[in-house]
Amino acid sequence: AQSVAQPEDQVNVAEGNPLTVKCTYSVSGNPYLFWYVQYPNRGLQFLLKYITGDNLVKGSYGFEAEFNKSQTSFHLKKPSALVSDSALYFCAVRDPTTDSWGKLQFGAGTQVVVTP
Amino acid sequence: EADIYQTPRYLVIGTGKKITLECSQTMGHDKMYWYQQDPGMELHLIHYSYGVNSTEKGDLSSESTVSRIRTEHFPLTLESARPSHTSQYLCASSEWTAEGHTGELFFGEGSRLTVL
Repeated sequence: AQSVAQPEDQVNVAEGNPLTVKCTYSVSGNPYLFWYVQYPNRGLQFLLKYITGDNLVKGSYGFEAEFNKSQTSFHLKKPSALVSDSALYFCAVRDPTTDSWGKLQFGAGTQVVVTP
Repeated sequence: EADIYQTPRYLVIGTGKKITLECSQTMGHDKMYWYQQDPGMELHLIHYSYGVNSTEKGDLSSESTVSRIRTEHFPLTLESARPSHTSQYLCASSEWTAEGHTGELFFGEGSRLTVL
């Protein structure tokens, strides 16, 4: 079975400071990993994904994430946060060895609050 | 922006009413999904489809039903709405790529249902 955990309900950061949103996963095979962002009253927007290759993945809006197999983590990072980055962030995982339908397992979400 | 549309965006109805949430995508994706997002913001897969005339129930049991008569259309129906059905419903789609199914989902804006 696949699962994903986001240990922080909320992350608070001052504008201009580095932002990190944590994600750990559990799958039986090699994972496909994703980050999505949700603004109020909107659907989810894709930020980035890791399928294979370079462990550091760069995505939209200046975000990046690093795949760490030994720690089973895929933390989302941004070097300098903006107030407009305030939103709900979801990590998701898929285990392609057990799932052929493209179903993603989502974490509980982390609310990011960036203060001016 | 992904070409996937949900209507209505907001719906307030009384108990016992039948409702249909519409979802359409213009990307020609074979796979479509319905997620339920509860007040705690977690996402739960309630239905998915891998093509025309194929539908499956997701990980979270739901009293809703779905149909897939056309590739682009994946409506969700509640025959008799109850207050426990109050939630946000998110539709998504995905495609197979040359690398196989990498799992990236494209989401609609969501339908927020309130049952009184």
